[in-house]
This record gives sequence, structure tokens and C-alpha cells, in this order.
Amino acid sequence: QVQLQESGPGLVKPSETLSLTCTVSGGSISNYYWSWIRQPPGKGLEWIGYIYYTGSTNYNPSLKSRVTISVDTSKNQFSLKLRSVTAADTAVYHCARVITDAAHVFDIWGQGTMVTVSS
Amino acid sequence: EIVMTQSPATLSVSPGERATLFCRASQSISSNLGWYQQKPGQAPRLLIYGASTRATGIPARFSGSGSGTEFTLTISSLQSEDFAVYYCQQYHNWPPWTFGQGTKVEIK
Repeated sequence: QVQLQESGPGLVKPSETLSLTCTVSGGSISNYYWSWIRQPPGKGLEWIGYIYYTGSTNYNPSLKSRVTISVDTSKNQFSLKLRSVTAADTAVYHCARVITDAAHVFDIWGQGTMVTVSS
Repeated sequence: EIVMTQSPATLSVSPGERATLFCRASQSISSNLGWYQQKPGQAPRLLIYGASTRATGIPARFSGSGSGTEFTLTISSLQSEDFAVYYCQQYHNWPPWTFGQGTKVEIK
């Protein structure tokens, strides 16, 4: 079965770039949309953006100026970069698979990785 | 951006009882709605999409209904493992896809 695993630094300094990678195992990254979603401590869920395996992307307008999502099909991975971070970017970051092109909900999730923005 | 509003914020229910959770969209989203369950320290789990279609492996005690702006998630007979936070999510008008703020179902 398909599994997702996030990886990357758990601590990022203010104004620097947050970089995370999601590794897809048990299946191919092809033919699906893949997303990043975050959850600040004790709060709700915020969709960051998605990437199709071909490389096309779409981002949350509230983060668009600071976000880049990329894909490496040879490694079955996709990645998130969030620039100029502040304490407000402290959150658990999840990667997730979009179930189908017709229903943009997330059927498989990574366990999440906590990223703290602090000096 | 479509705003999703869930009610109540907290629902106290006894095991075996029925739980009804509500989600309202700030504008019509047809049936483009999903529901998730999240337990502490875990990732969300997809329960329902298309407002009423159960995801793979989801027990029949979970059911969704509604269209337009008003939606309901019903858990027919609460089991101990159902106590969690539930989120709705719209995918009708995007970007962005947006979530509600969650309803916590706790043991009464």
C-alpha cells in the first residue's frame, strides 16, 4: 500500500527557507496530484499547494509568493520550499495524496513533521 | 475564498449514541465536500467525499449528507474509537481548498 513520509529540519530560523521532502513508497508518484497541508499547534488545517506528477502546480494565494513545490519522479518524491519564514509558519507539515482529479480530497497522508520557526 | 464553518465546536456524546456534526459553506459548493477524522498525534483520515460517498474501509456508521451550503456528518452509534476531531473540506472553488475549524467529539 502507498505510504508517505515527510523529512526535513525540525527547526528553521526566522527569515530563512523551510525545506521538506515527501517520499512516496509502495506505489508510483505518477498519475496523481500531491499536496502539502499544515496544521499549527492546536489549530486547524491549511492547504498549502499541490503538484501534479508532470510538474504543474497550484498554490494557496495566501502563501503563493513564498511557496515552491517541486517533484522528482525518478526518486518518487516531491518537495516543499517556504521562504522568509516567521513564527506564524510553525506547524506540523503533512504531505498527502489527492484521491482523484474529480474529487480533490486527501486519501493518504504522511504522519506529519513538526517544524518550529525560532532563532 | 470559501469559508467553512463547523458546529458545534465541541459535541459531548455517550458511547452508543448518535452524533450529528454540521458544516456550512459561505457559498454554494454543490456536493464538493469531504469529511476527515483526526485523533491526537495522528494525520487526518478521509471519511467521506462527494458529500456522501464513504472512503475505502470506512464503516457504515459514518454517513454524510447535504448539498449547496449545508452539510451533515452523522455517526449512527458512537464507538470508543470515534472520539476525535472532525474536519470538513470544500473542493468546489479553488484555490484554495479550505477546511472548517473542526468539531471535537468527546465522551459525555
